[in-house]
This record gives sequence, structure tokens and C-alpha cells, in this order.
Amino acid sequence: GNSVTQMEGPVTLSEEAFLTINCTYTATGYPSLFWYVQYPGEGLQLLLKATKADDKGSNKGFEATYRKETTSFHLEKGSVQVSDSAVYFCALSGYALNFGKGTSLLVTP
Amino acid sequence: DVKVTQSSRYLVKRTGEKVFLECVQDMDHENMFWYRQDPGLGLRLIYFSYDVKMKEKGDIPEGYSVSREKKERFSLILESASTNQTSMYLCASSLLTGGLPEQYFGPGTRLTVT
Repeated sequence: GNSVTQMEGPVTLSEEAFLTINCTYTATGYPSLFWYVQYPGEGLQLLLKATKADDKGSNKGFEATYRKETTSFHLEKGSVQVSDSAVYFCALSGYALNFGKGTSLLVTP
Repeated sequence: DVKVTQSSRYLVKRTGEKVFLECVQDMDHENMFWYRQDPGLGLRLIYFSYDVKMKEKGDIPEGYSVSREKKERFSLILESASTNQTSMYLCASSLLTGGLPEQYFGPGTRLTVT
């Protein structure tokens, strides 16, 4: 069945550091891929998405490219801010979404 | 703006009580979902519904039931609450078909069963 594996956290970075959160998937067919973000005390918000191979999703300085050959959808940001501290979830589409376990990011000043 | 609301942000119940968690969406979405979120386990699907009065079991339906009498409302029911149901519960909705099955989430209900 479909599944998502993402790197375990927590990840701690200094402000303005480069961020990568790894996500790989197993799926039949051609799923859509998503990154969701959960800020403290809130529900999940869609951060970015990609529907087919080589698509790049981007939002708020975050980017992820749908790589079919490596079955990956890694999240990157060139310069993180304290306000990016949150939990990040990779997900792929089925009838419902299949989520990874989440990666907690803490950005320090 | 898209909106999914949940009836309570925090709830404390006793073991054996019947618990109702309510979710309402204002986007006329066909699909609605209930997940629970636990540290180290991510989000796990409990039940989903693709139409009024229709429901499908997710990955962990045991101990739960659901009700969808109106399109905009999806209720999660804990028939007899137990301490292992202490968790964060998240409701979501999405369009049925066509394009990206993006889900919109509510703020969550943190349930504690004592």
C-alpha cells in the first residue's frame, strides 16, 4: 500500500540556516504529494503540493520537487526564520491522505 | 475563505462516558475525515465519509463510530471512552473528485480521558 517516510526530528537550526526535510514515498500509480505544516496549537495547513513528476511546489520560500526516479519529495528552504518553527508533515494522495509521522523544526534566533 | 470548525478545542471526559466530537465545514465539500494525532505516530485515519449517510472505516476505527446526517457536519462518537483514546482529534474536508484532493483541516480537539 501507499506509505510515506520522513526524517525524524526534532531538527534545530539557527535563523537563516538552510533547511532540508527528507520525504520518500511508496505508492502505486501516480499520487499527488503534499507538505502540510502545523504551528503550535493549530490544525494542519497546506504548505505546498505537486501533482506529477518533476513538478515543483513552492510557497512562503519553501520548495519541494516531485522526483519519481527517487520516489522523493524533500522540503527545502534557503533561509529559515524563527516563525518557521512548527511540525511538518509529508503526505501523498489516496482516497484519504497518507501522512508521514511529522518532523518538528525549531529555529532559534 | 475555507473554514472547518470543531466544537471544542479541549475536552476532558471520564472513562466509560459517551463522547461526541463535532465538525462543521462551510465549503460544500463532499468528503469529510476524522484523524487522530499522537506523538511519534503522526496522523492516523479513523473514519471518512464521501456523502451524507455514507461512511468508510479508516485505519483505526475500533472504539469509534461516526454520523453524517447533513453534508456540512461530521460527528465522531466514542461509545465508551477509554484512556487510550486520549489524543488530538483532527477533522478535515475535501472535494470529492476533480483535480487535487487537497484537504482542509480544523484546529483540532484535544481530548483527555481520565
